[in-house]
Amino acid sequence: KNEVEQSPQNLTAQEGEFITINCSYSVGISALHWLQQHPGGGIVSLFMLSSGKKKHGRLIATINIQEKHSSLHITASHPRDSAVYICAVRSRTSGTYKYIFGTGTRLKVLA
Amino acid sequence: EPEVTQTPSHQVTQMGQEVILRCVPISNHLYFYWYRQILGQKVEFLVSFYNNEISEKSEIFDDQFSVERPDGSNFTLKIRSTKLEDSAMYFCASSLGSGYTFGSGTRLTVV
Repeated sequence: KNEVEQSPQNLTAQEGEFITINCSYSVGISALHWLQQHPGGGIVSLFMLSSGKKKHGRLIATINIQEKHSSLHITASHPRDSAVYICAVRSRTSGTYKYIFGTGTRLKVLA
Repeated sequence: EPEVTQTPSHQVTQMGQEVILRCVPISNHLYFYWYRQILGQKVEFLVSFYNNEISEKSEIFDDQFSVERPDGSNFTLKIRSTKLEDSAMYFCASSLGSGYTFGSGTRLTVV
């Protein structure tokens, strides 16, 4: 079982829809990141969370530390939001930190 | 907006050769990272660097790999004797402590 699981793996939405991407993890973490990888391969860091909620434009990220779960929401989705969204955690095991990435959620927003 | 610059964008090398991948992080950032993504697979953490030394590294980052910040601006990843399985996109990132800025990546092809 992967230590970081994302769902869904693929998502197709119509422009304007509200989108939720989920991330569950099974390890203790010090931080969780949401990343966006464009079709060309470039990666953009969207959020870094250790608790609560963050908002940037149409993007909202939440984390529930007790439930080991985070969500990324996109309001009023647009075709330019089409990308792979990646959840990554920084966890500490036996005194060392490691970064674990999810396999990503591929989002396609149709006009 | 400040950028992380990676060169070259694409490098082809023969198996067994040494390669150096270069990155110029954002000038006031303090933390530096290398990640790789094998085609079709998830992003993997390689190493983080702070205060002129490695702070964390993954199991992938074995003796074949090394990092340097030779002149206070460049941040390099050296692979001593490349293997076919080193073929991947290598991403550099830098951070002030929260949030990351990624470079556009170097696609390494080992033949």
